[in-house]
Amino acid sequence: LAKTTQPISMDSYEGQEVNITCSHNNIATNDYITWYQQFPSQGPRFIIQGYKTKVTNEVASLFIPADRKSSTLSLPRVSLSDTAVYYCLVGDMVDTGFQKLVFGTGTRLLVSP
Amino acid sequence: DAGVTQSPTHLIKTRGQQVTLRCSPKSGHDTVSWYQQALGQGPQFIFQYYEEEERQRGNFPDRFSGHQFPNYSSELNVNALLLGDSALYLCASSSDGQETQYFGPGTRLLVL
Repeated sequence: LAKTTQPISMDSYEGQEVNITCSHNNIATNDYITWYQQFPSQGPRFIIQGYKTKVTNEVASLFIPADRKSSTLSLPRVSLSDTAVYYCLVGDMVDTGFQKLVFGTGTRLLVSP
Repeated sequence: DAGVTQSPTHLIKTRGQQVTLRCSPKSGHDTVSWYQQALGQGPQFIFQYYEEEERQRGNFPDRFSGHQFPNYSSELNVNALLLGDSALYLCASSSDGQETQYFGPGTRLLVL
């Protein structure tokens, strides 16, 4: 059972900012929040990861409120090439200490001209 | 610096056959995880290998087995193939103790 809930799909236009929100009400203290992007017939690509507050890299920003029960992936000025499926994952640390990634069905983002 | 590589890219098998898929991790990584992704679904965790041993396993039958070699590369074996095994099989590598996993391009398996 996926530990996250995110919209099934979103539509946007080139140049707009896109915000995808993910709910993870049962996030554990040691869990990290990670976002992946996947194009058709390709493996998922790591976008960004965070634990709390805000994280920014050259691709996206990740906003995490204090209660950590949700997070928002922000893609500034999207282009057609940002059309993909975006997965929000919460780190699943088992006793051995490693992370088993648990994917949901993701959010299909369609960027139009 | 090569990323995660997988072979073959595509494969067609018939029911009952056996298949072996291969993965080479990203340079510097010692942990390999395998995932199965059915069409329209998110990847599902099969198992993870570290120090040549299976460290954790997802909800997959014993028909799915694996191996990790001293150079950290890995194989996924599936016996007695079923139609439902048709999927994209993804390999991901990471460095033990680090959260981020990097995925390969996958192997598309079609079982007829």
